[in-house]
Order: sequence, then structure tokens, then C-alpha cells
Amino acid sequence: AQSVTQLDSHVSVSEGTPVLLRCNYSSSYSPSLFWYVQHPNKGLQLLLKYTSAATLVKGINGFEAEFKKSETSFHLTKPSAHMSDAAEYFCVVSERDTGRRALTFGSGTRLQVQP
Amino acid sequence: SAVISQKPSRDICQRGTSLTIQCQVDSQVTMMFWYRQQPGQSLTLIATANQGSEATYESGFVIDKFPISRPNLTFSTLTVSNMSPEDSSIYLCSVDSGSWLAGETQYFGPGTRLLVL
Repeated sequence: AQSVTQLDSHVSVSEGTPVLLRCNYSSSYSPSLFWYVQHPNKGLQLLLKYTSAATLVKGINGFEAEFKKSETSFHLTKPSAHMSDAAEYFCVVSERDTGRRALTFGSGTRLQVQP
Repeated sequence: SAVISQKPSRDICQRGTSLTIQCQVDSQVTMMFWYRQQPGQSLTLIATANQGSEATYESGFVIDKFPISRPNLTFSTLTVSNMSPEDSSIYLCSVDSGSWLAGETQYFGPGTRLLVL
């Protein structure tokens, strides 16, 4: 069975400072990993994905994540936070190799950006 | 990417009634998924819907409560039956964008916000 643990339910940073949102996964197979963002009263948007190619994945809006198999981690980072980054972020896992195409979501991390 | 629309966008319903949520995709897709997001919570998969076959439900979700239809490759409905306040959630539909084996991902509709009184 697959699972995702987001280690922080809330993260608060100041505008212009780095962002780190932590995610650990558990998977019996080679996972596909994603980060989605959900702004208030808006739909889910894909930030980036890892699907067994390069371990450092670049996404939209300056976000990137590094897949570390030895640490079973897929942390999301951004060098400099912007006010518009304030949102809920979900780390998500899928086990393509099993043919199971549904996604398993982490519990979410709410990012606050202080002026 | 796929463009997904859902109807209604939101609704307020009385307990004991049923609501059918529609999901329309702008391209043909093999698999569609229905998720629930309870207030302040993450997303939980309700069921997977293939065209032409019965939906596959996750543990804790049953067909009598959440019947699903998938009449063609661009459309699906989810019905929330005999509603109670605990069913107040956002219901989201999602689809595979293309070649799953190539690492394509899922795209989500805007969601249907349901409040049951």
C-alpha cells in the first residue's frame, strides 16, 4: 500500500525567504510523486511531478522538488516566497507500476506568507 | 491537459435528499475518478469509473450511497444519496490526461461544494 506523510500542517515564512514543504512517502513499487496546490476557493493545480526521470524536478512558479529514494522524501522548495504562494499544498503519490491509477493524497500543508 | 467542468458548482441541500453531480471533459478519457474533500481535510478517493463497466469503490464508500454513471468517454455523474450533514464536502472529479504509462498525471475539475442542512 502507498501512503504520503506531510510533516508540517502549517508553514509560515516571510516574503522573499525560502520555502520548504516536507513530504515523505511509502510505496511498495516505483512511485510517481506530485505536488498540487489549492488556492482558497479554487481548484487543484499541478505544480510538478516525478515519474522516474530526473530526480530534481522543476515546476511552475519557481517551485522544485527532489526525489530522494534513500530518504523516501520528495520535499518541495522555492528560493523566494511570494505573497501569491499562500495556499494549501498537497504531496501526492501514485503507483503506476501496479496499474493503480488513482492518487493518494497527503494531509496537506498550509503555507502562510507574511509581508 | 484536459479541461474539466462540473455542475453544480455549489449547492445547499436538505438531509434525506439526493444530489447528482455532473463531470464533463473536453476530450475522451479512459478513466475518471471521484474524490471527496471534507472541510479542512485532504482529498479521499471515492471511486474509479471506467466507461462501460461498474465503478470501483474504495473502502468506506458504497454504491448505494454514491452511485456513479459513466455513459461515455467524456462524461460521468456522481450521486450523493440520502444525504446527511456529514456529506457536506467538496466533491471533485479528475481524469487522466493521456498516456498514464508515460507519466501523465491527473487533472481536476473545479469541484462541487455541497452543504447539507
